Order: sequence, then C-alpha cells, then structure tokens
Amino acid sequence: DAGVTQSPTHLIKTRGQQVTLRCSPKSGHDTVSWYQQALGQGPQFIFQYYEEEERQRGNFPDRFSGHQFPNYSSELNVNALLLGDSALYLCASSWGLAGESSYNEQFFGPGTRLTVL
Amino acid sequence: AQSVTQPDIHITVSEGASLELRCNYSYGATPYLFWYVQSPGQGLQLLLKYFSGDTLVQGIKGFEAEFKRSQSSFNLRKPSVHWSDAAEYFCAVGGSAGGTSYGKLTFGQGTILTVHP
Repeated sequence: DAGVTQSPTHLIKTRGQQVTLRCSPKSGHDTVSWYQQALGQGPQFIFQYYEEEERQRGNFPDRFSGHQFPNYSSELNVNALLLGDSALYLCASSWGLAGESSYNEQFFGPGTRLTVL
Repeated sequence: AQSVTQPDIHITVSEGASLELRCNYSYGATPYLFWYVQSPGQGLQLLLKYFSGDTLVQGIKGFEAEFKRSQSSFNLRKPSVHWSDAAEYFCAVGGSAGGTSYGKLTFGQGTILTVHP
C-alpha cells in the first residue's frame, strides 16, 4: 500500500518565478492538505482540498493556490516566488472530512524542499 | 484561534534515561491533540493522538502522553530513551468536528531531541 507521495523531492527556483508541487494521497484517501515548514519551524497549514474544492485555508496570500483532481491527487502552485517561500512543503492525506465524532488521521508525505534564490 | 507552545527547543538526554517533552495548547473547546516525530529529511510520523476518554494515551515506539485539561498540557513521555529516538518532535492541535478549524492542524515549533550514548 503506497503512502503519500510527493514530487519533486527538491526544487530550486529564482525570485519571481512560479512553481508547481504535486501530491498523490494514500490509497483510499480523498482529502489533501498542504503545509509549509520553514527551517527550524513547525509546519503551517496552507489549505485543504476535498471533492476538488478548497475547504479550509490558512493565513497565506493568494500567491498560493491549489487544485485537486478527480483521482484525488493535488497540486500546490506558488506564483511570484519570494526568498521567504524557501521551505519544506508537506502534503498530508486523510479520508473525508469525517463526522461529528471522529477525526480522520492525516498521513504525511516526505515533502518537497523548495529553495528560492 | 488555536495555538501550541513547546517551551523546549532542544533537549539532550542519555540513552536509557527517561524523557518528557512539554506541550501547552490554547483552544476554546475540547481539542484533538497529536504528537508527531520527524527524522532528518523525512515527513511526519504520528506517535499518538488524544480525542476523548482516558487522558493517558499510548502510542508507538513506547511513547505515551497525558492530557491535563486544567493545565492545557499534553506532555509526551518515554521511560527509557533509545539512540534511535533522536529526532524532532512536534505537538499539534486539531479543530473539533463541526468547528470552523476542523481539518486544520496547528503545530508547535518543535523540540529537537539529542540522545547521548
């Protein structure tokens, strides 16, 4: 059973460029969340996708956008890259948005290391 | 708004010694609480979680954590540390079902654990 996979592993871009990161959820999962982890910090929630719609969003500018495809895979797009966007980008998948009495565990991928020069 | 504080940035223990990593959270209702571990270059692995019920929860790799509502704490413990436990540990709080922040994890800054032989 494949876990959460992310591509690419590493990426180097220059300021002002645009980048697309990709995530395939764990088998059976339909919800994808994205997190940004700057060096020495804990992960910060960017947004979550379910049924191809953005359901929750953290405190990130509109330069950060995403998409979820019918096969539940997801992309994270960042436009007009800044030096401060350098970070490890983590994708997490889970099953559904759950009901009133449960919380579906999020499984994390290994991340994409983005360096902006 | 939910928040998590991990007061200790770096902890060093000897192999075989006991361990306690501190976590304090801020959340308006009953929180969902988690501890994750991250090894260098790796994604996050869930150690244990608290949703409700027994306030002492057992996790993988011999870890346990105790939820103390009166202290807003969820400290992680292990009676005897192994060299392979060296990693970074993150405490996280998740919004409760039906709430506006459901599905979003808020992480602390992390505690780096070094284990001396």
